[in-house]
Amino acid sequence: ELKVEQNPLFLSMQEGKNYTIYCNYSTTSDRLYWYRQDPGKSLESLFVLLSNGAVKQEGRLMASLDTKARLSTLHITAAVHDLSATYFCAVDGITSGTYKYIFGTGTRLKVLA
Amino acid sequence: KAGVTQTPRYLIKTRGQQVTLSCSPISGHRSVSWYQQTPGQGLQFLFEYFSETQRNKGNFPGRFSGRQFSNSRSEMNVSTLELGDSALYLCASSLVQRRFTGELFFGEGSRLTVL
Repeated sequence: ELKVEQNPLFLSMQEGKNYTIYCNYSTTSDRLYWYRQDPGKSLESLFVLLSNGAVKQEGRLMASLDTKARLSTLHITAAVHDLSATYFCAVDGITSGTYKYIFGTGTRLKVLA
Repeated sequence: KAGVTQTPRYLIKTRGQQVTLSCSPISGHRSVSWYQQTPGQGLQFLFEYFSETQRNKGNFPGRFSGRQFSNSRSEMNVSTLELGDSALYLCASSLVQRRFTGELFFGEGSRLTVL
């Protein structure tokens, strides 16, 4: 069964600090996606990682993928309040002969001034 | 380029009723997926349609159904509503490559409250 786990589930951090969100998944896949959801809003695509070792950066966020470890990280550099949101990773792939697109539980990030 | 459009945005129904939600994907996107989001269960996959065919299906009861039209617009229907069906229903479209759905572009969602 394809499972996607994120940690931490909740993260409260000070502005200007760095932190990393982790996304582990349980099956072979070389496609991983990161999405952001603001409170009361829908999801917005942040990054698409399509191969082992892929690294993408946008502003203060950087995502990477290690398919051998089945791990993706979302690194936040010098956090600002505007980054407060819930971040989801998602993985898709074939498991037990069935195609699945599974989201992690989400990490609720709150950046404190 | 217009984004994914979902209607209605908010609706209130009572138990036992049925509801139909609509989704218009981004122009050129042929895949439409539906998700249910609740505080307790998170984001759960309902189904995906591609070229008017249901390509993938999640673990929801038969009360949840959907369809896709030739212009890629999609509808989902929930019959015999239960209190637990209260949720944000999200539609997402994608530019499908090969067998895989790829990057999803979400609509604003339809928030359903069942009383």
